[in-house]
Amino acid sequence: QVHLVQSGPEVKKPGASVKLSCETSGYKFINYGIAWVRQAPGQGLEWMGWISTYNGDTNSPQRFQDRVTMTTDTSTTTAYMELRSLTSDDTAVYFCARALGYCTSASCSALDNWGQGTLLTVSS
Amino acid sequence: DIQMTQSPSTLSASVGDRVTITCRASQSITNWLAWYQQKPGKAPKLLIYKASNLASGVPSRFSGSGSGTEFTLTIGNLQPDDFGNYYCHQYKTHWTFGQGTKVEIK
Repeated sequence: QVHLVQSGPEVKKPGASVKLSCETSGYKFINYGIAWVRQAPGQGLEWMGWISTYNGDTNSPQRFQDRVTMTTDTSTTTAYMELRSLTSDDTAVYFCARALGYCTSASCSALDNWGQGTLLTVSS
Repeated sequence: DIQMTQSPSTLSASVGDRVTITCRASQSITNWLAWYQQKPGKAPKLLIYKASNLASGVPSRFSGSGSGTEFTLTIGNLQPDDFGNYYCHQYKTHWTFGQGTKVEIK
């Protein structure tokens, strides 16, 4: 059975950084990409980026490219996303999710299994 | 970026009704479109991928159609468990999501 288990809630001050984790199990890690999606309180879904678990290629929206770093550890089948220079606008629930197949630097598929989400609160 | 315009923003329907949600893309995404259901406090759940393919374990009362710029999600025979928010998601390039549709059961 596929599981994605995310790290616990975080409270950070403006300007700080945070590194979120997403521990996976129940499938062959390198065969499926991982994406990160966030949801601000009462708002819709926003794509943060994806990573190829096969070769580490990433893709993210231009507005996040200088603040987001996505990595994986294939030995522990865990994905990570670091977000820097936090502001109150980054307060949201952050989801990791498994793609339906491989991701490349140019494309990635729909998301068939999701983590439970991590609440990040940025406040002074 | 490709904009996804979803409508309606809210709909209220009765058990047994057939409901349709529409998503329009600002440019062609061929059939690279997914639909998700999200319940309050929970992660989204994949319903449909590649515009019309039913995800594993999803009841057959859910169906998707469309290509290019116009897509629909149809829930036939609406059930009480179908309340929640529904999002379309284009994954042709640099992903974007629709604003969401809140489905309420009368």
